[in-house]
Amino acid sequence: GAVVSQHPSRVICKSGTSVKIECRSLDFQATTMFWYRQFPKQSLMLMATSNEGSKATYEQGVEKDKFLINHASLTLSTLTVTSAHPEDSSFYICSAKQGNSNQPQHFGDGTRLSIL
Amino acid sequence: AQSVTQLGSHVSVSEGALVLLRCNYSSSVPPYLFWYVQYPNQGLQLLLKYTTGATLVKGINGFEAEFKKSETSFHLTKPSAHMSDAAEYFCAVSDKGGYQKVTFGTGTKLQVIP
Repeated sequence: GAVVSQHPSRVICKSGTSVKIECRSLDFQATTMFWYRQFPKQSLMLMATSNEGSKATYEQGVEKDKFLINHASLTLSTLTVTSAHPEDSSFYICSAKQGNSNQPQHFGDGTRLSIL
Repeated sequence: AQSVTQLGSHVSVSEGALVLLRCNYSSSVPPYLFWYVQYPNQGLQLLLKYTTGATLVKGINGFEAEFKKSETSFHLTKPSAHMSDAAEYFCAVSDKGGYQKVTFGTGTKLQVIP
């Protein structure tokens, strides 16, 4: 149980393109989803917290106009990297949390984004 | 505020030897503590978690960790390493509020030598 699906797993695109990444909770309802970014050989850095039906809360230093987050349903959150540039190349990972705070986050398999 | 320190970015053990990955945390409230494993180009898989109750927590794949409040530690151990344990391991801490912001350590890459 508690499966999180992230799509696509890998994206290669030209500079200036906008890229959408989907995060779905397959067998549970996720009131909260999280988006992380992981640079090579580094830990995960939280970018934003997404609550269903409300605006996402961004961490300090993360541009909300650059990284658009939509959490339109209890099973789907999307991250759109707008006008992507090579410095946006990274590994993006989403996670989803069930209900109360006793439940850990369940992670997707990540999306490797490469901007040429 | 909360933080996690993982001692040793790389740990090498022989197959069959004890695995010990160290984690110390800092938290202004009683913490929830986690260990995750990440295989190359994949997301994170939860190994085990401590919330309340018994301080020795058993997880998947034979791993366990002990919460020691006095030492602010949550070290991960496994009695006998397998080749399949080679991966990167992240210790994490979260608060108990509904926000549940999780802070990750910088990770420890475990190498298992045949």
